[in-house]
Amino acid sequence: QVQLQESGPGLVKPSETLSLTCAVSGYSISSGYYWGWIRQPPGKGLEWIGSIYHSGSTFYNPSLKSRVTISVDTSKNQFSLKLASVTAADTAVYYCARHVSVMAVAGIVDYWGPGTLVTVSS
Amino acid sequence: DIQMTQSPSSLSASVGDRVTITCQASQDISNYLNWYQQKPGKAPKLLIYDASNLETGVPSRFSGSGSGTDFTFTINSLQPEDIATYYCQQYDNLPLTFGGGTKVEIK
Repeated sequence: QVQLQESGPGLVKPSETLSLTCAVSGYSISSGYYWGWIRQPPGKGLEWIGSIYHSGSTFYNPSLKSRVTISVDTSKNQFSLKLASVTAADTAVYYCARHVSVMAVAGIVDYWGPGTLVTVSS
Repeated sequence: DIQMTQSPSSLSASVGDRVTITCQASQDISNYLNWYQQKPGKAPKLLIYDASNLETGVPSRFSGSGSGTDFTFTINSLQPEDIATYYCQQYDNLPLTFGGGTKVEIK
């Protein structure tokens, strides 16, 4: 059974960098699939942030691309998210998730972590 | 970006009722459309992929249909455990985009 678990600080100061890690168990990242991040501001809808393949190929949401970096560490079977220059608008529950690729688009999100709330506040 | 418009934003129905949610894409997305269920405080769960394919383990009372720009999600015989917010999501093009969600409550 594939399981994902997010970890990282729950509070980040404005203008600083948000950093989260997603540990994957029950499946080797090196075996395939894309791995990505989706966020949800409190009481609002879902926003896709981006995804990465085990080879390191990345896809980012253009709305966040200038601030986002997703990386993978296959030796630890985990992947990470960094979001720079955060503001209060980046306060959200951040989910890591496995993405299934169909016709070259990693678009079916079949396994999700439980999510972690990150609050941006001084 | 492809915009996904869901309706209604909320609904109230009785146990046993048939519930229908619609999702409209701002352009043709073929059948590259998924439906998710999100219960309060939990991560979304994939229910339907490719517009009409039921994910393994999902009860058969859930179904989806449509192609192009117009899609429908149906719960046949609403159960108390179906109380949740439902989201559609397209993957014809990146970035992946979601509908605004439909909150389903019991009357």
